[in-house]
Amino acid sequence: QKEVEQNSGPLSVPEGAIASLNCTYSDRVSQSFFWYRQYSGKSPELIMSIYSNGDKEDGRFTAQLNKASQYVSLLIRDSQPSDSATYLCAVISNNNDMRFGAGTRLTVKP
Amino acid sequence: ETGVTQTPRHLVMGMTNKKSLKCEQHLGHNAMYWYKQSAKKPLELMFVYNFKEQTENNSVPSRFSPECPNSSHLFLHLHTLQPEDSALYLCASSRRLSGGETQYFGPGTRLLVL
Repeated sequence: QKEVEQNSGPLSVPEGAIASLNCTYSDRVSQSFFWYRQYSGKSPELIMSIYSNGDKEDGRFTAQLNKASQYVSLLIRDSQPSDSATYLCAVISNNNDMRFGAGTRLTVKP
Repeated sequence: ETGVTQTPRHLVMGMTNKKSLKCEQHLGHNAMYWYKQSAKKPLELMFVYNFKEQTENNSVPSRFSPECPNSSHLFLHLHTLQPEDSALYLCASSRRLSGGETQYFGPGTRLLVL
């Protein structure tokens, strides 16, 4: 079983729509969760971190964490073509290693 | 600009060559990491350094040799690589090793082994 799983996509949404990206993880004791955005040919850049159950909002981005179900999601409201990228879910467990999913490729069509 | 720099940005090398990748962070962080990113695969953690001491070697072949002379600099020495080692090599740093600290990535070195 993969430690961090994401749908590879591509996920395609029209401009202005809500993009929903999902991630599940296998280590139940994981405590820290991150979403990174990676444009083609570039390095990952942090979008959101979340540590507690519930929602965390930052501008057009909302991260949702459900530790009981072992999933974390990222919602992007009012999607823009500039949001087109690969989104990486990352999880830190008790051993302090950050484990990444393979990423979901998002395309926002004008 | 994340405060983490890497050189070179692109590298082409033969299987018999020896080269080194360099990473420098200007964030005052104490933990540094090397990752490998291959196409359509998750980022793979290679090495972790905490206060310039190696804390993890994630079963990386000995043809990759890390060096951390101080908390701000990290090197990855390469020798007798294989074509399957072609990938994007990313350096990252965090304030601390523990406590769920965010990692900040450098721009990466895209390596092609011929």
